[in-house]
Amino acid sequence: AQSVTQPDIHITVSEGASLELRCNYSYGATPYLFWYVQSPGQGLQLLLKYFSGDTLVQGIKGFEAEFKRSQSSFNLRKPSVHWSDAAEYFCAVGGSGGYQKVTFGTGTKLQVIP
Amino acid sequence: GAVVSQHPSRVICKSGTSVKIECRSLDFQATTMFWYRQFPKQSLMLMATSNEGSKATYEQGVEKDKFLINHASLTLSTLTVTSAHPEDSSFYICSAYTIPGQGDYEQYFGPGTRLTVT
Repeated sequence: AQSVTQPDIHITVSEGASLELRCNYSYGATPYLFWYVQSPGQGLQLLLKYFSGDTLVQGIKGFEAEFKRSQSSFNLRKPSVHWSDAAEYFCAVGGSGGYQKVTFGTGTKLQVIP
Repeated sequence: GAVVSQHPSRVICKSGTSVKIECRSLDFQATTMFWYRQFPKQSLMLMATSNEGSKATYEQGVEKDKFLINHASLTLSTLTVTSAHPEDSSFYICSAYTIPGQGDYEQYFGPGTRLTVT
């Protein structure tokens, strides 16, 4: 069964500081990996996704993530955080081909302080 | 990108009544939609897969008679919570996949519906 672990429930960073959110996955084959952001009371917005190819993926809003197969990780990074980045971030894993179910991690809440 | 809408965004209903939530793909057709449930400060839990023209597939532990799903067209899926109880209060989110060949083949999420059962 596929699963996702986000070990950090809550992270606080200063505005302008760098950010890394951790994500580890379990999947039997080559996974499709996603990072989503959710603002309070809102739906999910896709930040970036990895299907294949270059293991460093660029997304929207200045985010990037690196797929490391040997570590089963897909960590999200941003070099300089803005106050508007405060939100909940979800890592997710799914399978290739067809309309595959996506399994979400428990999320990491990001707080940005001035 | 593709847009998925949900209606209503918020609903309050009395215990024992039923409530219907609509999920629409606005600018694309979707043969498959998913319904998720999110408890406060928790992740999204997949409830069911909604397939146009056929019965929905429910995840283990989800009562199919309580959460009725109808995917009557390529742009509309509905979730009806029947005989709602306070424990059904939650944030319900739908998503829809674009059909291969129609733009990006990916899953788009609706903005969610906050259900409160009193």
